[in-house]
Amino acid sequence: GAGVSQSPSNKVTEKGKDVELRCDPISGHTALYWYRQSLGQGLEFLIYFQGNSAPDKSGLPSDRFSAERTGGSVSTLTIQRTQQEDSAVYLCASSGAGGNQPQHFGDGTRLSIL
Amino acid sequence: AQSVTQLGSHVSVSEGALVLLRCNYSSSVPPYLFWYVQYPNQGLQLLLKYTSAATLVKGINGFEAEFKKSETSFHLTKPSAHMSDAAEYFCAVSRSGSARQLTFGSGTQLTVLP
Repeated sequence: GAGVSQSPSNKVTEKGKDVELRCDPISGHTALYWYRQSLGQGLEFLIYFQGNSAPDKSGLPSDRFSAERTGGSVSTLTIQRTQQEDSAVYLCASSGAGGNQPQHFGDGTRLSIL
Repeated sequence: AQSVTQLGSHVSVSEGALVLLRCNYSSSVPPYLFWYVQYPNQGLQLLLKYTSAATLVKGINGFEAEFKKSETSFHLTKPSAHMSDAAEYFCAVSRSGSARQLTFGSGTQLTVLP
């Protein structure tokens, strides 16, 4: 079956521009997560959506980062006024309900800020 | 707060030799524990998970891990390494309840020598 799909796979943009990253979770998965993977910081949690509940935004590094999930499915992570330190791989994961359900990851979006 | 420590950022083994990747966790409540593998330019693939059932957990590709509460460890092993096992391995922990985001270790790069 289809896994988690992320687009674009690569994004190069200039400092100061806004970017949008898209995630299509596995059908039927109610939970959706965004993580960031960078050389200096490893894998960091950004934001978590569960059903219709308010998202857990505790991992967002600044107010330039935001995310939404429309219709309980597709999610978009937006970074405004990008900085060079935003360069990283952004990974999306989804899972079924229940804390013991494993998260399934997409291949990520590699973001490079010039 | 919870954290994960992976001892050894790089591990090299000969093909056919035992693979042992170390993971220690700290958590104030009983955790869920996971091992993921990442191949170059790909997302994370689940190897196995511990969710408070059997302490010895078998995963894909011949890997297994043993949960030892007294040692707060969840080491990953494979009896005989294969060239295709060369990748980066991440140990991760999540809590039960509402906060289900994963906290990752810093990763161990496994090299398999011919």
